[in-house]
Amino acid sequence: DILMMQSPATLSVSPGERATLSCRASQSVSSKLAWYQQKPGQAPRLLIYGASTRATGIPARFSGSGSGTEFTLTINSLQSEDFAVYYCQQYNSWATFGQGTRLEIK
Amino acid sequence: EVQLLESGGDLVQPGGSLKLSCAASGFTFSTYAMSWVRQAPGKGLEWVSTFTGTGGYTFYAASVKGRFSISRDNSNNTLFLHMSSLRAEDTAVYYCAKESAAAGTPIFDSWGQGALVTVSS
Repeated sequence: DILMMQSPATLSVSPGERATLSCRASQSVSSKLAWYQQKPGQAPRLLIYGASTRATGIPARFSGSGSGTEFTLTINSLQSEDFAVYYCQQYNSWATFGQGTRLEIK
Repeated sequence: EVQLLESGGDLVQPGGSLKLSCAASGFTFSTYAMSWVRQAPGKGLEWVSTFTGTGGYTFYAASVKGRFSISRDNSNNTLFLHMSSLRAEDTAVYYCAKESAAAGTPIFDSWGQGALVTVSS
């Protein structure tokens, strides 16, 4: 199985600032990488697929980059509604998720 | 608008069985792969099983293979998960998720609200 590792586990950022979340795969997944946002008590929501393509309705302040084994989710000008847990997921070989990064208000 | 509504979550004893359902609407159900993804309390996400939209293929995570069975009723736009020989570690919220294609691309672009399954004596 392909293991997905996210860092940091918790990220504290002030509203209006930029957040940078990392995801590393144990082997290459090409660009078959998705990002999800999950708020407490809610289902996950697809943000990014293909490593860098925003899903329908996702604001432009969310951007993804990377390929192979190293990926980044960047959120510019953090809004109050962006504080949540973020998961990366590879779909090059079945589907496996990272353990999540909790983005909290500083 | 895509809507997925799970039902059937319950408290069940170890070794017991349970069947989850997911009623889908807002898209052409038969043409998309559908999956179950679970989340143990306070933990991350784990893919459980997929039923493709073409070919009728089914796939399972190693942790549930041989105990869980996925099925779908395209005439009634419903996905099912039959769970047996349940263990404490199966305790989780089970999400029904629509994939973005008929098969081979497990990008989960729509999710239900989840059904809680608790395995405990």
